[in-house]
Amino acid sequence: QTVVTQEPSFSVSPGGTVTLTCGLSSGSVSSSYYPSWYQQTPGQAPRTLIYSTNTRSSGVPDRFSGSILGNKAALTITGAQADDESDYYCVLYMGSGIWVFGGGTKLTVL
Amino acid sequence: EVQLVASGGGLVQPGGSLRLSCAASGLTFSSYNMNWVRQAPGKGLEWVSYISSSSDIIYYVDSVKGRFTISRDNAKNSLYLQMNSLRTEDTAVYYCAKTTVLAFDIWGQGTMVTVSS
Repeated sequence: QTVVTQEPSFSVSPGGTVTLTCGLSSGSVSSSYYPSWYQQTPGQAPRTLIYSTNTRSSGVPDRFSGSILGNKAALTITGAQADDESDYYCVLYMGSGIWVFGGGTKLTVL
Repeated sequence: EVQLVASGGGLVQPGGSLRLSCAASGLTFSSYNMNWVRQAPGKGLEWVSYISSSSDIIYYVDSVKGRFTISRDNAKNSLYLQMNSLRTEDTAVYYCAKTTVLAFDIWGQGTMVTVSS
C-alpha cells in the first residue's frame, strides 16, 4: 500500500518562507507523478494551487511555487500572509487511474 | 464563471443507497474528465472515482469498487455518483472536481453524506 507523506504541521512567521513536502513511503517522487497541491480552510472546498509539479492554477499568486526537491515534491510559500493559514494537501498520480492524497499539512502563520 | 454544484447528500442507514449529482455550468462539460473526491469529518481528502469525457474510461478507489458507480450525462452537463451498500466509513463530504493534466482544478462546494443507523 503506497502512502503519500506530508508533514502533519508547520509554522511560519508572517513574511517568512516555508517549504512543505510530499513524499512516498517507498521510493522517490518525480514529475512523472504529476504532483499537485491544494489549499483548504475549514468548511470550504479545496482550492487548487499547483498542478503538474510547478504550474500555478489560474489566479494563484506567484508567491506559491512548486518543485521537486530531492526525492519529494515541494510547495514553497514566499512572503507568508495571515490568510495562508490553512491545510495543504498534495496528491500524486500513481498511474492506472489512481490518485493518492497525502494526509495534509496544517500550516500556522504566527 | 465556471461552477460545479454538488447535491444529493443526506442521512442514510448502513446498507442503503444514495445518488449524488454535480451540475456544471460555465464550461464545455463534455470536453472534460471528471472526478469525485471525499473527505471524512476531520480527516484528509481521498480520491474516489474518475470518468473520462466520453465515459469510456472509469476508475475507482479499491474501497468503493463494486458499490459505487460514476456516470455522466453530457447533454445535461451533469456528473453522478450512485452509491450502494453504504457503510459508516463512507460518511464524508463528497466533492466533484474537474480534471486537468492529471490533477483537479475546479471543485464543487461539496455535499455531505452521513451513513448512520
